[in-house]
Amino acid sequence: EVQLVESGGGLVQPGGSLRLSCAASGFTFSSYWMSWVRQAPGKGLEWVANIKQDGSEKYYVDSVKGRFTISRDNAKNSLYLQMKSLRAEDTAVYYCARDSPYCGGDCSDYWGQGTLVTVSS
Amino acid sequence: EIVMTQSPATLSVSPGERATLSCRASQSVSSNLAWYQQKPGQAPRLLIYGASTGATGIPARFSGSGSGTEFTLTISSLQSEDFAVYYCQQYHIWPRTFGQGTKVDIK
Repeated sequence: EVQLVESGGGLVQPGGSLRLSCAASGFTFSSYWMSWVRQAPGKGLEWVANIKQDGSEKYYVDSVKGRFTISRDNAKNSLYLQMKSLRAEDTAVYYCARDSPYCGGDCSDYWGQGTLVTVSS
Repeated sequence: EIVMTQSPATLSVSPGERATLSCRASQSVSSNLAWYQQKPGQAPRLLIYGASTGATGIPARFSGSGSGTEFTLTISSLQSEDFAVYYCQQYHIWPRTFGQGTKVDIK
């Protein structure tokens, strides 16, 4: 069974940093692109970043470029999102998601339950 | 970036009835369109990709159609577990973008 479990969310002040983690199991983690997708409270979905199987390619939505860094450790079956210079508008539930090869790696077939990041003073 | 517009915002349907949800792209996305279902407090679930191909384990009552800029998700006979929010997502042009969602609730 595919499982994705996020952790690391919490309350942080504007300008602060936070590192999210996602533990993957039930599939060959190193064979898939992985993404982070977020959802602000009561709002829709926004793709944030994704990373290639070997970590050699990374892409970000413009609003987080230069502030967020996606990474992975295939030996630990783990995905990460380092977030810096956080803003109120980054407040959201952050989902870890496996990207499906059926969509060329650009849609997500399994999602974690999410971790809430709240940016507030 | 491509803007995805879903209609209606809310759809009230009785159990057993058909539901038809629409999604429009601001420019052609070919057939590179996915649909997701999200229930309150849960993660999204992939229903359809390639505009019309059902994802693994998705019941046959869910079907997708369309290409270019106009897409439809049809739920042939609504079950109680289908009341949820549905999102479309294009993956034709980077970055992937989602519609704002259609909430299907009980009439």
